[in-house]
Amino acid sequence: DIVMTQSPLSLPVTPGEPASISCRSSQSLLYSNGQNYLNWYLQKPGQSPRLLIYLGSNRASGVPDRFSGSGSGTDFTLKISRVEAEDVGFYYCMQALQTPLTFGQGTRLEIK
Amino acid sequence: QTQLQQSGPGLVKPSQTLSLTCAISGDSVSSNSVAWNWIRQSPSRGLEWLGRTYYLSKWNYDYATSVKSRITINSDTSRNQFSLQLNSVTPDDTAVYYCARWAHQDRHFDLWGRGTLVTVSS
Repeated sequence: DIVMTQSPLSLPVTPGEPASISCRSSQSLLYSNGQNYLNWYLQKPGQSPRLLIYLGSNRASGVPDRFSGSGSGTDFTLKISRVEAEDVGFYYCMQALQTPLTFGQGTRLEIK
Repeated sequence: QTQLQQSGPGLVKPSQTLSLTCAISGDSVSSNSVAWNWIRQSPSRGLEWLGRTYYLSKWNYDYATSVKSRITINSDTSRNQFSLQLNSVTPDDTAVYYCARWAHQDRHFDLWGRGTLVTVSS
């Protein structure tokens, strides 16, 4: 199984400041077609996870442009350019290369 | 607007079978562009994908190794829904269970149910 490792696990951020979350996979998520099969999800308190980023860097519909995804192979990053209060919750990376589909442990973003 | 409506008991006794259903509105369980999944979440395991079913010329099933001997996912075309059965449950199976739609083309979960807390206890 592909192991996904996120850091940090807790991220206190002042509103208006940037934030960054790292995700590493135990094997490359870069497929022969040039796509990186890495997704990012946000789970707000009391809600189901919601897709933020797919294929490593594509924002899902309705996701604000302050969210961006980057990286390739085994190292990926989710960046929030200016954190807002509504961004609190748990952020998860997930590999979409092969089954079993696996998630990172989650990063809790909180407002200072 | 496509929605997934989950139903099933919130309490199951140890050694019995956990059964949940996910009713689909606004899409078809037989669609060949998506797969229908079950995922669970617990403090000890985090988010854990359990398995999926999808129709591509025939019905296909994929299961997580951790539950493969105990899990069955079925589709019901007449009711446009799919279901999860997990046999021989233990307290370790206590979790919030989600159904979710997977988009084959871009490989992501684009729609989730609201989740069902299932507690395994006598």
